[in-house]
Amino acid sequence: QKEVEQNSGPLSVPEGAIASLNCTYSDRGSQSFFWYRQYSGKSPELIMFIYSNGDKEDGRFTAQLNKASQYVSLLIRDSQPSDSATYLCAGGLIGGSQGNLIFGKGTKLSVKP
Amino acid sequence: GAVVSQHPSWVICKSGTSVKIECRSLDFQATTMFWYRQFPKQSLMLMATSNEGSKATYEQGVEKDKFLINHASLTLSTLTVTSAHPEDSSFYICSAPGRGAGVQFFGPGTRLTVL
Repeated sequence: QKEVEQNSGPLSVPEGAIASLNCTYSDRGSQSFFWYRQYSGKSPELIMFIYSNGDKEDGRFTAQLNKASQYVSLLIRDSQPSDSATYLCAGGLIGGSQGNLIFGKGTKLSVKP
Repeated sequence: GAVVSQHPSWVICKSGTSVKIECRSLDFQATTMFWYRQFPKQSLMLMATSNEGSKATYEQGVEKDKFLINHASLTLSTLTVTSAHPEDSSFYICSAPGRGAGVQFFGPGTRLTVL
């Protein structure tokens, strides 16, 4: 069974610190990975996606992918209280059905002022 | 990014009634849309893939006769929960594909409460 695993948290970091969110996946066929942010009672918002091994940076966010270890991470630099949310990791197939995203249960991040 | 809307944002209904949820792509056309369900503190679970002009594709374990999907135009997909029961109470979210393989843009979601 294809699974995406995340530590449910909560992960608590002080304002200005680096928040590190981790995700592992079981399906070696997964090729694309996504990080979504979900505020309580709201729908997910895409933050970043990554297809290739290595790092991808976008502003304060850096996604890291290690396909050999089946590991994806998201680093948030200079964390702000507004970053407090649940972060969902998802894996999918390039070229496959666009709906075939497998979501983790999410990690709740709390950034303390 | 692309904008996807849903209506209503929340609905409360009595057990046994049917509820229709609309999902619209506002500034682009979507031949495919997806319907998810999310229970409290759980992950998003794909229910079905809505295909414009053809039948929806349902995930294993999802009753197609209970969750009716219609994708009548390139900008509108509807999900009807028929004969809703309290266990159907959940957060229903639709999404549409964006540029880039696997990228999806989510609607704001519909909170369904069945009494």
